[in-house]
Amino acid sequence: DAMVIQNPRYQVTQFGKPVTLSCSQTLNHNVMYWYQQKSSQAPKLLFHYYDKDFNNEADTPDNFQSRRPNTSFCFLDIRSPGLGDAAMYLCATSTPAEGDGNQPQHFGDGTRLSIL
Amino acid sequence: AQKITQTQPGMFVQEKEAVTLDCTYDTSDPSYGLFWYKQPSSGEMIFLIYQGSYDQQNATEGRYSLNFQKARKSANLVISASQLGDSAMYFCAMDYGQNFVFGPGTRLSVLP
Repeated sequence: DAMVIQNPRYQVTQFGKPVTLSCSQTLNHNVMYWYQQKSSQAPKLLFHYYDKDFNNEADTPDNFQSRRPNTSFCFLDIRSPGLGDAAMYLCATSTPAEGDGNQPQHFGDGTRLSIL
Repeated sequence: AQKITQTQPGMFVQEKEAVTLDCTYDTSDPSYGLFWYKQPSSGEMIFLIYQGSYDQQNATEGRYSLNFQKARKSANLVISASQLGDSAMYFCAMDYGQNFVFGPGTRLSVLP
């Protein structure tokens, strides 16, 4: 089945040690998103790619970077994780709709990041 | 700025009863989409139902229906015949252009 896959499901890293989370998709969607979700809160958009065009949210810290080497893969790099970066990180994809319609975002299962 | 409000932090419903989860939104764009997602405790975000701003009919998907009142800017989710597996967080979201904004969510608990 076509899907959005995030690896790993759980990631533990040390304070200040760079970490990379990965997302792949078989849906061939143009747009890929990264969200941060803390406990009992709504997902917060960090950035998204429309094809190769990168769009950063204004309040996303510089500590968070992203790469999209091809249509299928997108990575989230946290350069120096702090304790406040412990959260669930969700990857999602979508494709532009035709006409006046909209398309849902399709989410992966998420990576739960813990900082020691 | 676009905004989603969900005024019910938590809701309880008896198994087999219907429940309505509230969602209001604020946008000046004429074209937008409204979505409901379910997030169980395991964390995955599951798409439930979609309503386009130009759709004349209320959306339905199985036990889920959307009560769309455009003039009031509300898009409430109705779950009929609740099941124990419906216990989860429910997020209302709006699509404008390439961006999504989520509401704060409602935690639904289905009681046996």
